[in-house]
Amino acid sequence: EADIYQTPRYLVIGTGKKITLECSQTMGHDKMYWYQQDPGMELHLIHYSYGVNSTEKGDLSSESTVSRIRTEHFPLTLESARPSHTSQYLCASSRSPGNEQFFGPGTRLTVL
Amino acid sequence: GENVEQHPSTLSVQEGDSAVIKCTYSDSASNYFPWYKQELGKRPQLIIDIRSNVGEKKDQRIAVTLNKTAKHFSLHITETQPEDSAVYFCAASRGNTGFQKLVFGTGTRLLVSP
Repeated sequence: EADIYQTPRYLVIGTGKKITLECSQTMGHDKMYWYQQDPGMELHLIHYSYGVNSTEKGDLSSESTVSRIRTEHFPLTLESARPSHTSQYLCASSRSPGNEQFFGPGTRLTVL
Repeated sequence: GENVEQHPSTLSVQEGDSAVIKCTYSDSASNYFPWYKQELGKRPQLIIDIRSNVGEKKDQRIAVTLNKTAKHFSLHITETQPEDSAVYFCAASRGNTGFQKLVFGTGTRLLVSP
């Protein structure tokens, strides 16, 4: 079934650790996005990608980095996690030239 | 850049009443306006969208209206049910040209009481 998958769903980690949040989609979409969202609050775009080898920073400054080596895969990495990174991270994708964005289930990150 | 304002931030209604959520946008070039519903602990899901070439779109109990001149659009939910309780987000983008970045509103928490 076509969907967007995120792992892990929940992550509790100590300050200073390096983490990678995984996002994969089987939708056949070329555009992918990462949003940061505190529960029930506004969605903030932190990274996006037009396609393979294309990545851009979003509206909200983030210390994370992303890569897009394969069309279906868009991982997000934090080199040194801090308590301020505690949030929910949502991955999304869309087809070109359509606009509808489909969201993954999210990763809830807690940094102690 | 685009700025989207959404009101109210919270809305409480009785089951069976109607609910209206309003959004305004700043970029006159925006032409795609989706609405997402996010239930507690779940991912945002598209419930309805409208493009700038139409003024209204309906899907069963939900409808969206668009006023391009005033640059505002609204979500209307009729005959509300407890399962409509969620956070609703409006968004706007230029769509189909270049990068399809969605700019989201700040969300409306809708509570439908039985």
